[in-house]
Amino acid sequence: QSVLTQPPSVSAAPGQKVTISCSGSSSTVGKNYVSWYQQLPGTAPKLLLYENNKRPSGIPDRFSGSKSGTSATLGITGLQTGDEADYYCGTWDSSLSAYVFGTGTKVTVL
Amino acid sequence: QVQLHESGPGLVKPSETLSLTCTVSNYSISSGYYWGWIRQPPGKGLEWIGSISYSGSTFYNPSLKSRVTISIDTSKNQFSLKLSSVTAADTAVYYCARYLGLFGSWGQGTLVTVSS
Repeated sequence: QSVLTQPPSVSAAPGQKVTISCSGSSSTVGKNYVSWYQQLPGTAPKLLLYENNKRPSGIPDRFSGSKSGTSATLGITGLQTGDEADYYCGTWDSSLSAYVFGTGTKVTVL
Repeated sequence: QVQLHESGPGLVKPSETLSLTCTVSNYSISSGYYWGWIRQPPGKGLEWIGSISYSGSTFYNPSLKSRVTISIDTSKNQFSLKLSSVTAADTAVYYCARYLGLFGSWGQGTLVTVSS
């Protein structure tokens, strides 16, 4: 079982905004940088954000991240059909000495 | 742009050892970074298996540690995964990736089915 909890699914109409939460603990989100990964259907995950809110080259600024205490949040604005995917948060667990992923959230564009 | 590619048997019998290799292109693994393995059971989420440094230092998921060995061959620019005593619960898509506090580059993944 994952130590990072995400909502199973979120949805919104095209052009709207969604947010995805990632709830952890003082040994995970509270202590370490959070990354976000996007997994389009049938493909490998791709790094979407790192160090809580930084975007790798090529990732549009419609994707944003934040962190407060033991929770992190991914925001997607101007939702597009191409954003339909599973999204995972990830970070180091200093208590387990292990990298942990969130439970994953499916984004649906209505 | 670094590229990673997993290879190995797609079918492994229960109780046997799963063996996969990740070949890295466009980057010399001896230059730095850590390298890791992640798996994803069908229809489920991601699970980190373990990682290895370019110099051979390893760290493993505690839940799998007793069964996992990750090794690196800088001469072939490859790193490998061995998972022993597999069961049906080890059926998953296995990904290799480059790791530096985050997984920045991933292979396309390879499905390994555990079945007799």
